[in-house]
Amino acid sequence: GQQVMQIPQYQHVQEGEDFTTYCNSSTTLSNIQWYKQRPGGHPVFLIQLVKSGEVKKQKRLTFQFGEAKKNSSLHITATQTTDVGTYFCAADNYGQNFVFGPGTRLSVLP
Amino acid sequence: ETGVTQSPTHLIKTRGQQVTLRCSSQSGHNTVSWYQQALGQGPQFIFQYYREEENGRGNFPPRFSGLQFPNYSSELNVNALELDDSALYLCASSRGYGGGMSRNEQFFGPGTRLTVL
Repeated sequence: GQQVMQIPQYQHVQEGEDFTTYCNSSTTLSNIQWYKQRPGGHPVFLIQLVKSGEVKKQKRLTFQFGEAKKNSSLHITATQTTDVGTYFCAADNYGQNFVFGPGTRLSVLP
Repeated sequence: ETGVTQSPTHLIKTRGQQVTLRCSSQSGHNTVSWYQQALGQGPQFIFQYYREEENGRGNFPPRFSGLQFPNYSSELNVNALELDDSALYLCASSRGYGGGMSRNEQFFGPGTRLTVL
């Protein structure tokens, strides 16, 4: 079946440093979504990417969808303590299934 | 807040029992998806309901079943509980248009924490 991997599993950064998490699928995707889950909270939708090579920005967050639509990345510039949480990618396999990656847990040291 | 509510917030059951979890979707949403999230893992898709019909299912056994009502609220039923069923159960509502699973952004509820002893 479809597999979705995320790396790294954990990332500890000093406040102000940049952070990137990568999401890789074993199959070509119709779209990919990114969610953030704070400790003790529930996933919150961040963005959806649909087109090959698509890049979207939200303030300090930059999302990218790979040309082959099998991978994606989330980059945070100049992290803040409010960025703490687990970032999940969720892969849509053309409506067949919806698979969340295992997540990257980000901690930011002040 | 997303407007998606779930009840109860916490539940403790013993092995072999049955449980029903409830979810009220956000206003204007006609699709509800259920997820199981074990500690330290990503949400695992259980199934999705669109207009009272199941229109997508993940790799979960038949003892996981669901319902969606005309007001688009939903229930998740789990029979013959096992220890491994202990997890956070999340529902997420979205707008669907039929013809397959909804691919739109999902709004998650706060979850129900189920503990099976």
